[in-house]
Amino acid sequence: DAKTTQPPSMDCAEGRAANLPCNHSTISGNEYVYWYRQIHSQGPQYIIHGLKNNETNEMASLIITEDRKSSTLILPHATLRDTAVYYCIVRVALETSYDKVIFGPGTSLSVIP
Amino acid sequence: DAGVIQSPRHEVTEMGQEVTLRCKPISGHNSLFWYRQTMMRGLELLIYFNNNVPIDDSGMPEDRFSAKMPNASFSTLKIQPSEPRDSAVYFCASSSTPWTQHFGDGTRLSIL
Repeated sequence: DAKTTQPPSMDCAEGRAANLPCNHSTISGNEYVYWYRQIHSQGPQYIIHGLKNNETNEMASLIITEDRKSSTLILPHATLRDTAVYYCIVRVALETSYDKVIFGPGTSLSVIP
Repeated sequence: DAGVIQSPRHEVTEMGQEVTLRCKPISGHNSLFWYRQTMMRGLELLIYFNNNVPIDDSGMPEDRFSAKMPNASFSTLKIQPSEPRDSAVYFCASSSTPWTQHFGDGTRLSIL
């Protein structure tokens, strides 16, 4: 799997958009970009994933650059409950459900009142 | 719907004792994963199962660790004998799709 690079920490004002970047310059054509987050004292939580096109769900938006070498997770209106560590992961989406998910150090996002 | 259920939530025991962590995956999920999280090493994958069969245990740190999945609704991670360096939060996750895993709230293990 390709490696990812994320800033170790970021701050965001409550109510503003939080934009979390991720670099994955060695990504392969069949590898997806996934985002998880981990709120303190809880297990990681899946947020969103994408291959080429931008994706949006009820939690966030994922913007992937045209060359696919980087992506940005956007939380449109950050709240205090969004304070967490955010993990960007690149991996092949196999047909099976049991492929490894390798977590890096992630970005610690602090939403400030 | 119930999520992944782990027990106990907290465990404190003395070095040398046997520790058993338990996990009930989400019903219908056919893959189960055990992770360990520490400040130094982050979140590490220990072992994962598909249809109750261990697929990859290369992350298991040493022979003191063992994991079983006797049926689709139950798994255990056992440490025998336990050591202080095993202190960590242990997470269980289950999955039925290639793109998402559902995690439990973890077991916080302290070995004195």
